[in-house]
Amino acid sequence: DTEVTQTPKHLVMGMTNKKSLKCEQHMGHRAMYWYKQKAKKPPELMFVYSYEKLSINESVPSRFSPECPNSSLLNLHLHALQPEDSALYLCASSREWTGTGELFFGEGSRLTVL
Amino acid sequence: GENVEQHPSTLSVQEGDSAVIKCTYSDSASNYFPWYKQELGKGPQLIIDIRSNVGEKKDQRIAVTLNKTAKHFSLHITETQPEDSAVYFCAAHKSTGRRALTFGSGTRLQVQP
Repeated sequence: DTEVTQTPKHLVMGMTNKKSLKCEQHMGHRAMYWYKQKAKKPPELMFVYSYEKLSINESVPSRFSPECPNSSLLNLHLHALQPEDSALYLCASSREWTGTGELFFGEGSRLTVL
Repeated sequence: GENVEQHPSTLSVQEGDSAVIKCTYSDSASNYFPWYKQELGKGPQLIIDIRSNVGEKKDQRIAVTLNKTAKHFSLHITETQPEDSAVYFCAAHKSTGRRALTFGSGTRLQVQP
């Protein structure tokens, strides 16, 4: 199984809502990532978890709150988002957090903030 | 920090022709250069990568070349097929400091049947 599964595929939320994005992998990977991708742009790194510990936070606003409950799961909790946060949110995993290993991406969760 | 520039932003070729996408990087400490392909509605997928101790790598119809002196690397796709149509991102990783990739801005490749 070489899949990273993300749910939901689409999410529409108001600025006062609280929602969560979920990501799951069963490849035994010990590094997991959240990326944000705007249309016609490359993915931008948001967070890196290594062995379930937050290792990188790219100065992401606190309205995005990551969580890694176990080595297979990664969540992104969303609260009080702004319309400019509308984007494709990609989860990825890799065997270890080295920067030089293959990243396995999910298909993404497309978020629209009204 | 590292800066990666990618050209062209769009590329249209006829089926069967070759396609070349070029990237330059700024930091000579960079040592790993992957290429990701992103099809419509999907996440990026690694198609080939090269490390700084190698000048060229091939995998069937795709190849990557690296010129460390000039700090640029290129993706070559031969005998293009319609299923090669996608957005391609180059990336670079620096051997020191932050363990994260810096992506190029992407190239939208359209292969006309």
